[in-house]
Amino acid sequence: DSGVTQTPKHLITATGQRVTLRCSPRSGDLSVYWYQQSLDQGLQFLIQYYNGEERAKGNILERFSAQQFPDLHSELNLSSLELGDSALYFCASSRAGGANTGELFFGEGSRLTVL
Amino acid sequence: EDQVTQSPEALRLQEGESSSLNCSYTVSGLRGLFWYRQDPGKGPEFLFTLYSAGEEKEKERLKATLTKKESFLHITAPKPEDSATYLCAVRDNAGNMLTFGGGTRLMVKP
Repeated sequence: DSGVTQTPKHLITATGQRVTLRCSPRSGDLSVYWYQQSLDQGLQFLIQYYNGEERAKGNILERFSAQQFPDLHSELNLSSLELGDSALYFCASSRAGGANTGELFFGEGSRLTVL
Repeated sequence: EDQVTQSPEALRLQEGESSSLNCSYTVSGLRGLFWYRQDPGKGPEFLFTLYSAGEEKEKERLKATLTKKESFLHITAPKPEDSATYLCAVRDNAGNMLTFGGGTRLMVKP
């Protein structure tokens, strides 16, 4: 158990809909990262937050947004969903947020299926 | 842009048959190379961090090594429970996130 909690574990929805994925980081971790994993793309970095502030952005679509709240939990919002958004979405956390950060601790993921 | 390439994509071994997984990387200013293990339906689990060429880390049957252009994950006398996908990732001196390779799916038959 990594200590990172993600909900929901599974989500099935239709094209055009909007969903919210939630992540609670390990106790004491200030950084939260969101990754998308699909069969053909592997693990792709989406976005990082550190203590409530956006710190780094990857190949995140404009239809996707995220935020980190004062209690350090994070939410990833996916809107106008398309079939190609079906994937595993992972949240990870780490103690700090800079280039010297150690390892990331991953949750078990939220599997999104768009029909 | 950082690039990480892992080979082979899949590897089948008999129990006890040692082998190595390769991770080749291109990065501007390596600030860490990371190995993770991922079981089906689970999140990646951290194994090792290597920071400089020549560094080695060991854990049970796994040993990770690092050169200036690649890293190897050596698996000695593997057991079926070592079956998983092994992911390699790098962090550069400008980014805060990890860039992952495509992984090597290891299957160990009893």
